[in-house]
Amino acid sequence: SQQGEEDPQALSIQEGENATMNCSYKTSINNLQWYRQNSGRGLVHLILIRSNEREKHSGRLRVTLDTSKKSSSLLITASRAADTASYFCATRPYNQGGKLIFGQGTELSVKP
Amino acid sequence: EAGVAQSPRYKIIEKRQSVAFWCNPISGHATLYWYQQILGQGPKLLIQFQNNGVVDDSQLPKDRFSAERLKGVDSTLKIQPAKLEDSAVYLCASSPPTRTDTQYFGPGTRLTVL
Repeated sequence: SQQGEEDPQALSIQEGENATMNCSYKTSINNLQWYRQNSGRGLVHLILIRSNEREKHSGRLRVTLDTSKKSSSLLITASRAADTASYFCATRPYNQGGKLIFGQGTELSVKP
Repeated sequence: EAGVAQSPRYKIIEKRQSVAFWCNPISGHATLYWYQQILGQGPKLLIQFQNNGVVDDSQLPKDRFSAERLKGVDSTLKIQPAKLEDSAVYLCASSPPTRTDTQYFGPGTRLTVL
């Protein structure tokens, strides 16, 4: 079953604006990851945040994690048309090996 | 470094037929995963291999799906017989032994069952 719930399901913004996507999950996790999927392609790993971390940055990406609320957010700053894709959060639950459980995804459209 | 290779990229079959997908992970990656991604949803893990052993196949519909990784390198996923609801993208991913948290995905095989 899907563990992650993502919000919004779809987001449309203009180039240069910031995009924020949220993810909620149900069980205790080892880490949470964000992946990007361009139409018709495989997933690309963006960033990983461990359960003992609260915030992490990578280039224009900023991820936060609140384990007390079982939620995470992904912020993409100064978005570009090339950021248009689907974004998925994936949780790695405790004691389930390397298994990742993906959310439903947020479809981001960045208009030039 | 070459990425995860999958073939075929597209497959159209009729229900009750059989189909097989092939995956070649990144060289040296001991862990291999097969996911099913139905349109509009996130990927769902079907099976995880560590070398040639199965780690997790709890969500694999074993009455019709089978997978093997005989030499601990490439893998095949088979569906027999296919149902309409098997229409999806089948993604293969692999992880290196030193970074098991990160999965590298192939381009996927898009299966349409008519």
